[in-house]
Amino acid sequence: YVLTQPPSVSVAPGQTARITCGGNNIGSNSVHWYQQKPGQAPVLVVYNDFDRPSGIPERFSGSNSANTATLTISRVEGGDEADYYCQVWDGASDHVVFGGGTKLTVL
Amino acid sequence: EVQLVESGGGLVQPGGSLRLSCAASGFTFDDYAMYWVRQTPGKGLEWVSGISRKSGTIAYADSVKGRLTISRDNAKNSLFLHMNSLRPEDTAFYYCVKDRAPIVGTKIFDYWGQGTLVSVSS
Repeated sequence: YVLTQPPSVSVAPGQTARITCGGNNIGSNSVHWYQQKPGQAPVLVVYNDFDRPSGIPERFSGSNSANTATLTISRVEGGDEADYYCQVWDGASDHVVFGGGTKLTVL
Repeated sequence: EVQLVESGGGLVQPGGSLRLSCAASGFTFDDYAMYWVRQTPGKGLEWVSGISRKSGTIAYADSVKGRLTISRDNAKNSLFLHMNSLRPEDTAFYYCVKDRAPIVGTKIFDYWGQGTLVSVSS
């Protein structure tokens, strides 16, 4: 199972960033999103398509339908600059799959 | 506070072996499935292996199956990755990762260690 992310997304501060994750019928999977800043371990920011762990700002939201899942970051701040990875569990193979990652640049 | 501290990384020649360890604290270790995820420096994340809370269910990525072995010692709150027949392409940071929910493994990774670097080179 393959998850496809755009290598990079750029957005101005205060605007909305949308990072996509494409996969065959991904809407039937639960999608999770991780943020990774340079030199740090990944942090879970959205799970089960749209739920947020405690401590994650409401500016982070998610959606998932058909062949595309989307992580939306509203009112983008400089501190949101990071790599973002989507992830699913492929039940057919019992394997965890990550997308290739998207580098978010805040202009 | 949940803490996951990896150790055991280092430089090893192709064909060599290493054992990675992860010391867990701040949660009831034997309630949670655990995982190893790796990342080649400057590249993306790759799931390596997962183990259920009682070690009854274990899974591996195709790229490591037969060479890497995951295990855990619940009495010592520790997770391990035994690495044999190492290849240059196994060079990566290896992260110890905790499942988000107790009892049933959800494959949602809510806490990550800081990683330990394995370098495979002659």
